[in-house]
Amino acid sequence: DGGITQSPKYLFRKEGQNVTLSCEQNLNHDAMYWYRQDPGQGLRLIYYSQIVNDFQKGDIAEGYSVSREKKESFPLTVTSAQKNPTAFYLCASSAMGTGSEKLFFGSGTQLSVL
Amino acid sequence: AQTVTQSQPEMSVQEAETVTLSCTYDTSESNYYLFWYKQPPSRQMILVIRQEAYKQQNATENRFSVNFQKAAKSFSLKISDSQLGDTAMYFCALYNFGNEKLTFGTGTRLTIIP
Repeated sequence: DGGITQSPKYLFRKEGQNVTLSCEQNLNHDAMYWYRQDPGQGLRLIYYSQIVNDFQKGDIAEGYSVSREKKESFPLTVTSAQKNPTAFYLCASSAMGTGSEKLFFGSGTQLSVL
Repeated sequence: AQTVTQSQPEMSVQEAETVTLSCTYDTSESNYYLFWYKQPPSRQMILVIRQEAYKQQNATENRFSVNFQKAAKSFSLKISDSQLGDTAMYFCALYNFGNEKLTFGTGTRLTIIP
């Protein structure tokens, strides 16, 4: 079945540590996105990519980094510079990245700080 | 700037009843799309319905329909014959073609009571 796979489901980060969240899709979508979800808030865009080897910052990119070496994969690294990383992270994809399209979401990763 | 406001943090309704979730938005653009996404307890986001701003006819998807009032910048979601599986967070979202920005509201937690 086609879809988006995020791993791990739960992740714990120690102070000063970088952690990487995985996102893989087999939908053959060009565009991929990372969103952050905090309680009582809507989703906020961290980074997005519309094509391999290219990506753009979203609204809250500070403290995060991404890569897009393959069409299927869009990993997100939460760096030590992100001082408040505890949140639920959602990866999404769409066919062409026009924004007006339906987004397909993964099941998310809950990141907590030890 | 564009904003999406969901003024009902929580709602509950008896099974089989009809419920309406409110959403208002603000944008200076004339060309945009509006969405309702559902996030059940599994936390995976699922598209419920989409409305193109240039269309006067309200979108419908089975038991889900919208009341799109463009002049009032209102976009409510009506769920008919509610089912236990409708229990979820519901997010309203706005995509502007002008600035290519997708903005989510803060969500409404809907509980269907057996």
